[in-house]
Amino acid sequence: QVQLQQWGAGLLKPGETLSLTCAVYGGSVRGHFWSWIRQPPGKGLEWIGELNDSGRSSYNPSLKSRVTLSVDTSKNQVSLTLSGVTAADTGVFYCARGQAAAATGHWGQGTLVIVSS
Amino acid sequence: QSALIQPASVSGSPGQSITISCTGTNRDVGAYDYVSWYQQYPGKAPKLVIYDVRYRPSGISSRFSGSKSGNTASLTISGLQAEDEADYHCSSYTTINTRVFGGGTKLTVL
Repeated sequence: QVQLQQWGAGLLKPGETLSLTCAVYGGSVRGHFWSWIRQPPGKGLEWIGELNDSGRSSYNPSLKSRVTLSVDTSKNQVSLTLSGVTAADTGVFYCARGQAAAATGHWGQGTLVIVSS
Repeated sequence: QSALIQPASVSGSPGQSITISCTGTNRDVGAYDYVSWYQQYPGKAPKLVIYDVRYRPSGISSRFSGSKSGNTASLTISGLQAEDEADYHCSSYTTINTRVFGGGTKLTVL
């Protein structure tokens, strides 16, 4: 059973860089797309981007300039960095594994990130 | 890219059927059969219930079904149960190789 365990700093100041890591247990990072998705408080889901272990990636156009996604096959982990955060970036961030052509079947537990001065 | 359009809320009584719509454009929902639906309980991560418009992952009840017509996809839950009360989100692949979600729909079981 694949499990995703994520962690990272939960409180940031405006202008800082958000950094989250997602460890994959019970499966390999190889051969799958890995997505990051966020959810502002009380709102819907927003797709941030995805990539696979071959380096093929895709990003939400509205976030592309601030987002870096990476896969570490040696540690079986995927990571997200989001630079220049503002209060509008506050929310729960999820890592997730791709399923079928464009769905996500396994999700991490979510990490609440608050941006406040 | 603009978010897909979902009703903010729907409701139904136990045993009834409800349908949640998800409206996009010919650049996302209407372009491919790559619409997925997620169920989310408060404080929990979303769970995939439908992928590729109409397919159910292993373990998902047959009470959940999906369809699509033009630029609108739909999720139908039949034989409504109290445990179905949750938020439901749709997602679609797009013509610029990205994904987009809807705003989410809160389902209330009366």
